[in-house]
Amino acid sequence: AQKVTQAQTEISVVEKEDVTLDCVYETRDTTYYLFWYKQPPSGELVFLIRRNSFDEQNEISGRYSWNFQKSTSSFNFTITASQVVDSAVYFCALNSETSGSRLTFGEGTQLTVNP
Amino acid sequence: GAVVSQHPSWVICKSGTSVKIECRSLDFQATTMFWYRQFPKQSLMLMATSNEGSKATYEQGVEKDKFLINHASLTLSTLTVTSAHPEDSSFYICSAGSGQEISYEQYFGPGTRLTVT
Repeated sequence: AQKVTQAQTEISVVEKEDVTLDCVYETRDTTYYLFWYKQPPSGELVFLIRRNSFDEQNEISGRYSWNFQKSTSSFNFTITASQVVDSAVYFCALNSETSGSRLTFGEGTQLTVNP
Repeated sequence: GAVVSQHPSWVICKSGTSVKIECRSLDFQATTMFWYRQFPKQSLMLMATSNEGSKATYEQGVEKDKFLINHASLTLSTLTVTSAHPEDSSFYICSAGSGQEISYEQYFGPGTRLTVT
């Protein structure tokens, strides 16, 4: 069985602070993909990133960056200089050889960025 | 990216009635579609996987007779909540992909908010 754990249920920061959202995953497969999604109050899931298990390079996209470490089974997400518009629930997810394209989601982290 | 739509965006129905939710892939052929349910302040829980032209595969604990899924074409899947009750009130989200293998990406619809009174 596979599992995704997002230990931080809620995080509150002040605008312009950096914030890191943690994601720890479990899978027995060697081939898997990790994802991050943003869910604003409207409810629609916004795709942020998809990372293959064989690619451990960190990625940066504007104010967003991701740190993938297989040694600790973690795929953490950092927002630099947070903005009020970043307020949302963020989900980490996983699929693998065994699950195919079926995704397993973490419980989500509610991020609130205060002005 | 690929576009997936859902209709309706929100629906209110009376207890005991049935409601149908549509999920459409607008610009690609969706061999596989997934249906998720999300209760307030909770994560997405996969309900079922449907492949075009075949019966849906339901996750453990999901009532097949209550949540009827039809995937009759490569662009449309429907979820019918039969004899709805207040506890079925939830946010239902579909996603669509070109296949079930790990390499295929999923594209999510905007969701349908169901309220049963």
